[in-house]
Amino acid sequence: AQSVTQPDIHITVSEGASLELRCNYSYGATPYLFWYVQSPGQGLQLLLKYFSGDTLVQGIKGFEAEFKRSQSSFNLRKPSVHWSDAAEYFCAVGPYNTDKLIFGTGTRLQVFP
Amino acid sequence: NAGVTQTPKFQVLKTGQSMTLQCAQDMNHNSMYWYRQDPGMGLRLIYYSASEGTTDKGEVPNGYNVSRLNKREFSLRLESAAPSQTSVYFCASSAGRNNQPQHFGDGTRLSIL
Repeated sequence: AQSVTQPDIHITVSEGASLELRCNYSYGATPYLFWYVQSPGQGLQLLLKYFSGDTLVQGIKGFEAEFKRSQSSFNLRKPSVHWSDAAEYFCAVGPYNTDKLIFGTGTRLQVFP
Repeated sequence: NAGVTQTPKFQVLKTGQSMTLQCAQDMNHNSMYWYRQDPGMGLRLIYYSASEGTTDKGEVPNGYNVSRLNKREFSLRLESAAPSQTSVYFCASSAGRNNQPQHFGDGTRLSIL
């Protein structure tokens, strides 16, 4: 069965520091992969997606993610975090040719000045 | 540029009461979804609709019913609310197959006493 694991429940970084949020998936073929961000009291907003091609994907707000098939990972990165990046981040996998997503349990990011 | 609109934003119910959560999208999307979000559990799919007139169960359908009224609207009904249904409910929509990204509403925060 397909699944998504986000090993870190809560991460704290200082403003200006680099960030990497981990995501591992379990799926028999190459999946469609997504990262979403949820600010407090809001719905989820798409940051970026990977369907095929270049394994390094650029998203909005300066985020990027790298698909590594050998590690079944799709980690989210940002070189310099801003206080406004404090939010909860969700990784999701979409099995091929379906319109459903499987979400991880999320990572809450806290940013200190 | 409304996207996905959910009403109400907040609601408090007593055990046994019924309620319908409303969702409408203006993006001409085929697929619509209802999720619930609970701490530490990410988003879990309750029901989804691949097109007008069709609905299907997700991961946690018990205690809920849905209705795809037309292409724009997808409602979620709690016939007899239980405290275990206290949650934040999100509606989402997508263009459909081929793993198009899902667009989310801002959520309905439901408390059942």
